[in-house]
This record gives sequence, C-alpha cells and structure tokens, in this order.
Amino acid sequence: DAKTTQPPSMDCAEGRAANLPCNHSTISGNEYVYWYRQIHSQGPQYIIHGLKNNETNEMASLIITEDRKSSTLILPHATLRDTAVYYCIVRVGDTGRRALTFGSGTRLQVQP
Amino acid sequence: KAGVTQTPRYLIKTRGQQVTLSCSPISGHRSVSWYQQTPGQGLQFLFEYFSETQRNKGNFPGRFSGRQFSNSRSEMNVSTLELGDSALYLCASSLGRWLEDSYEQYFGPGTRLTVT
Repeated sequence: DAKTTQPPSMDCAEGRAANLPCNHSTISGNEYVYWYRQIHSQGPQYIIHGLKNNETNEMASLIITEDRKSSTLILPHATLRDTAVYYCIVRVGDTGRRALTFGSGTRLQVQP
Repeated sequence: KAGVTQTPRYLIKTRGQQVTLSCSPISGHRSVSWYQQTPGQGLQFLFEYFSETQRNKGNFPGRFSGRQFSNSRSEMNVSTLELGDSALYLCASSLGRWLEDSYEQYFGPGTRLTVT
C-alpha cells in the first residue's frame, strides 16, 4: 500500500518560503497526491493536489518529481497563520476498499 | 456558501452506551466521509458515503456504522462505546467521490467525543 513519509517538524521564518517535503515512493501511476493542513483543534483544510505536473494556486505550489516518488509543498511567503500540521496524503487500496493514509504530518512552526 | 456542519460539537458518554453524530455537507456535495482523530493514532479514515451507499470503509470494527440520507446528510453511529473511542470525529464533504476521483474535501469542525 502506498504511504507517505514526512519530517515530524520544521521551522520557518515569517516572510520566507516554507518547503515541506513528502516521500511517497510506492505511489501508483494514477494516484493523486493531496496536501491538507490542520490548525490546532480545527478540521483539516484542503491546500492543493496534483498528479504529475507542478501545480499552483492562491495558497501554495506543489512540485512533484518526475518519477512521482516525492513531492514538495511550497508556501511562498509564510505567515504566522501558516503554523499548522501539514499532511501529505495518497489513496491506498483497490476500488471499494480505498482508504487514506494521513500519516503523522509535519508540524510547521513559523517564527516571527 | 455554508461550510460543513457537525452536531453536536461536544459529547460525553459512558462506556457501553451508543452515540449518533450528525454531519450536514456543503450544499450540492454528494460525498461524505468520516474520520477519527486521536493523539495516538492520528487521523484515520472510517468510511465514505455517496448516493446513500457506503462506498469505502477503513479498518474499524463493526461497532462503527453510518448512513447517508437522500439530502446527502450523514450520520455516524458507534455502539457499545469503549474508552478508546474517545476522539475527535471529523466529517468531510466533496462534490464527487473523492476516493475515486480527484475532488478536494472540505472538513467540518468535528465532534469531540469523550467516553468515561
């Protein structure tokens, strides 16, 4: 089953870019990579997702390596409000028995 | 547009009791998924409902069940509560079947269940 590996924690200075890595070396060819974040005691918030190409939206950019075994979420100008746990997610399993592995996520602390 | 709403927000139950949690998805969303979040196990997928049918199920015992109504609202039931069921239960909705297609999910604030 595909699963993700993320560093448990990272620090970033306010105003600087935050680069959050994720390893998903067993991802299958048609599986998307999703990124969510969770601010303390709130429900997770969708950030971005991608399949093969790099993606960008108003919140972040997602860089996926050519072999799709890893990806990086980039918050271009981190603010204190970006302090949260960031989850890199892929689906696992076959049709009807699909599930999600959220993993432990990366706790990003943005420092003033 | 209103977000995902969950009721109640907080609940205290006793071991052996049963509990029903409710989730109202974003208007127009047809898929509802449920998750359990605990400090030890993190965020774990329970099940997904679409068009009133359970489409996918995580690795939880049969004490955990759910249903979806024709208006896409969903309920989750836990019978014979155990202390280990104490957790934050999150509901998420999406336009389509997020586990089969590439839809993003929108999460509610959760229901915090405490079993004593």
